[in-house]
Amino acid sequence: AQKITQTQPGMFVQEKEAVTLDCTYDTSDQSYGLFWYKQPSSGEMIFLIYQGSYDEQNATEGRYSLNFQKARKSANLVISASQLGDSAMYFCAMREGANSGYALNFGKGTSLLVTP
Amino acid sequence: DSGVTQTPKHLITATGQRVTLRCSPRSGDLSVYWYQQSLDQGLQFLIQYYNGEERAKGNILERFSAQQFPDLHSELNLSSLELGDSALYFCASSAGTGRPQHFGDGTRLSIL
Repeated sequence: AQKITQTQPGMFVQEKEAVTLDCTYDTSDQSYGLFWYKQPSSGEMIFLIYQGSYDEQNATEGRYSLNFQKARKSANLVISASQLGDSAMYFCAMREGANSGYALNFGKGTSLLVTP
Repeated sequence: DSGVTQTPKHLITATGQRVTLRCSPRSGDLSVYWYQQSLDQGLQFLIQYYNGEERAKGNILERFSAQQFPDLHSELNLSSLELGDSALYFCASSAGTGRPQHFGDGTRLSIL
């Protein structure tokens, strides 16, 4: 079974600073995908970034980057130049294998608060 | 806007009742996933459909069922509702395996 661990229940960061949200995973699959989603207080789930297990370069999307360390089985999200609107829950997820229809297995999330 | 539409946004009903949640995937996406988000269980995968056929089941109760129609919209049916079924139910769609899943805004179900 796969498992996603997010060890930081809550994080604070000052506006304009960078912040790293931790995610480790456990899988025996060779091919897998890692995702980060943002859930604001309004409840919707917003896709942020994706990293494939065979991708050699770390994924980046604007102010979001994924620090992928395969040997350590970690996929940390880095948000640069934090903004007040970044305050939200952040979920790390792993795409499961074919038997599960490639469904996502989510971590428990990290609550990020950006302060002025 | 993810392009995935879920209706209704909110649903309040009583124990023992039956409800239907509806999802329209993004244009062109053949895969539809249903997830449940509750305070105690977190985000859990329920069921997946691909082009009208059931592809995978997760932690879906026998009281719950789903289907995907020829126009690719999907419905999640929840019956004999219990207090513990109160949760946020998400539908997500993707263009294919390995592609990001895009989520709708969810249906918040409250059982009184």
